[in-house]
Amino acid sequence: AQTVTQSQPEMSVQEAETVTLSCTYDTSESDYYLFWYKQPPSRQMILVIRQEAYKQQNATENRFSVNFQKAAKSFSLKISDSQLGDAAMYFCAYKTQGGSEKLVFGKGMKLTVNP
Amino acid sequence: NAGVMQNPRHLVRRRGQEARLRCSPMKGHSHVYWYRQLPEEGLKFMVYLQKENIIDESGMPKERFSAEFPKEGPSILRIQQVVRGDSAAYFCASSKQGGIDNQPQHFGDGTRLSIL
Repeated sequence: AQTVTQSQPEMSVQEAETVTLSCTYDTSESDYYLFWYKQPPSRQMILVIRQEAYKQQNATENRFSVNFQKAAKSFSLKISDSQLGDAAMYFCAYKTQGGSEKLVFGKGMKLTVNP
Repeated sequence: NAGVMQNPRHLVRRRGQEARLRCSPMKGHSHVYWYRQLPEEGLKFMVYLQKENIIDESGMPKERFSAEFPKEGPSILRIQQVVRGDSAAYFCASSKQGGIDNQPQHFGDGTRLSIL
């Protein structure tokens, strides 16, 4: 079974600085998808960024980018120019290509942004 | 609002009662997923449905829990004879098509179920 591990339960960053959130996963499959979701205090689940495992190029969405290391099964999220609104729980998630459509989530990491 | 709609936002039940959670997918989406989030935990998959069909219920507890997605109307997650351990946030997500690669799941705001 696939598992997703977020080893850091909490992190903090100064406003305007850069922070990297780590995520590792375990799978025997070669094709899959990885996601980062954000959950602010309102408890919405907001898709931040996604990566297809077959793509070597790291995904980027404005201030958010990933460092996808397929061999190491690592999928970290970098937030540049951190803003107060980035404060939230961040969840890393995995989905198989084809087959089951379920997302497998990590336990999450709480990000605090200090002014 | 064209997003995934869940209601109620908060639901309080006493032990032994039934809880019904509703989810209307985004317009144009025909695939629905239910997840449960216990305090301080990530979301755990429960069930995946298409209209009138359960596709994957591998995450559903064997007893007391059921889900449906009828031809007309919202998807319903039903919990019978609730117990304290059912207290959690229940999230619904929808996607345009399942089995088509990388159709993202869009989440609702969740229903927070509290059992007294």
